[in-house]
Amino acid sequence: SQQGEEDPQALSIQEGENATMNCSYKTSINNLQWYRQNSGRGLVHLILIRSNEREKHSGRLRVTLDTSKKSSSLLITASRAADTASYFCATIQWGAQKLVFGQGTRLTINP
Amino acid sequence: KAGVTQTPRYLIKTRGQQVTLSCSPISGHRSVSWYQQTPGQGLQFLFEYFSETQRNKGNFPGRFSGRQFSNSRSEMNVSTLELGDSALYLCASSSTVAGGGYGYTFGSGTRLTVV
Repeated sequence: SQQGEEDPQALSIQEGENATMNCSYKTSINNLQWYRQNSGRGLVHLILIRSNEREKHSGRLRVTLDTSKKSSSLLITASRAADTASYFCATIQWGAQKLVFGQGTRLTINP
Repeated sequence: KAGVTQTPRYLIKTRGQQVTLSCSPISGHRSVSWYQQTPGQGLQFLFEYFSETQRNKGNFPGRFSGRQFSNSRSEMNVSTLELGDSALYLCASSSTVAGGGYGYTFGSGTRLTVV
């Protein structure tokens, strides 16, 4: 079973707006990663944040991690139609070599 | 450099048959993982290989097996197929343990349909 919960399950916004997705997990982690999936295709790695980091930026992406609350958020600024996809958070626990995925957020950007 | 290559892209099999899926990781990557994605269960870990050794296995029945060759290419096999095995099977490669500092690179997947 999956470890993470993502919120919201679906999000629809206008192009140019910001999109925020949240992820919660249950156990201690080594790092947390965010992936994007376009309809039925493979996953694309977006960003990785380690357990000793609180915030990370990559282009229009901003990720935060709160290990005390076991939660993370992904912010996409100035959204574009091409950002339409499903977004998944995934954690790696200490000593493990596997990703544990959340359920995903389906993001739709309306032109 | 070339990405992760999965073959075939699509597959239709009949219940009771067996199937073998192939994954070629990024050159130099020694870790290969397999995941199953279904609408009901989401993305679930199947197994992970590193230098031909299985290091982790998920909660799947023994009908699901895999192996890794000396060139890091990996195959997964599903025997006695069931309708519930219909899914997108994704392969991911990584150069270091725990996804290193760069995350995993995924292939485009194999869409298996069991009829």
